[in-house]
Amino acid sequence: EAQVTQNPRYLITVTGKKLTVTCSQNMNHEYMSWYRQDPGLGLRQIYYSMNVEVTDKGDVPEGYKVSRKEKRNFPLILESPSPNQTSLYFCASSFGFRRGGGETGELFFGEGSRLTVL
Amino acid sequence: AQSVTQLDSHVSVSEGTPVLLRCNYSSSYSPSLFWYVQHPNKGLQLLLKYTSAATLVKGINGFEAEFKKSETSFHLTKPSAHMSDAAEYFCVVSGFTGTASKLTFGTGTRLQVTL
Repeated sequence: EAQVTQNPRYLITVTGKKLTVTCSQNMNHEYMSWYRQDPGLGLRQIYYSMNVEVTDKGDVPEGYKVSRKEKRNFPLILESPSPNQTSLYFCASSFGFRRGGGETGELFFGEGSRLTVL
Repeated sequence: AQSVTQLDSHVSVSEGTPVLLRCNYSSSYSPSLFWYVQHPNKGLQLLLKYTSAATLVKGINGFEAEFKKSETSFHLTKPSAHMSDAAEYFCVVSGFTGTASKLTFGTGTRLQVTL
């Protein structure tokens, strides 16, 4: 089954304790992205990756790191979490969307990771 | 630059009545437009997409949307609401910045369906 898998789904942690949220997709997608969802703000992009070893900042990258060592995995790292990073996080992947290409940019989402930082 | 505005944060309809969720966009390019649905405690799922083909786009579960360039709108409609349609809906615009695609999400419209 084609899917994007995130872990953990729920996490409560304390300020400053490093954590990693994993994301894995089995669709051979080149493009992967992390979003955070907050009430009234919709989804905001944190980081994205166009391919292995290619990552770039989204709209709200502060306090986050990512890596893309393999095509299927795109972990999100919070080196020193703070309470303002309490949020619902989504990983998504797609084939990407290139000018003149056939891809549509359709995103496939994981089920989300609800993070609480105390 | 691009942006998307969902004109209603909440919409409430009775079961069996039409649904209209409004979306306006701005884009410097010929955009692709999407509607996603999010059911409680779930990730987002694609409802339908417009990618410069037919302006009237049909999606899953009886939803459709019409791309109107002159009005910069991409409103989502369904003739008859069902209880299972209660969810949050996101309008998304996709365009290019150089060679990379940029997706911009609206802030969402929560659809409530009552008996």
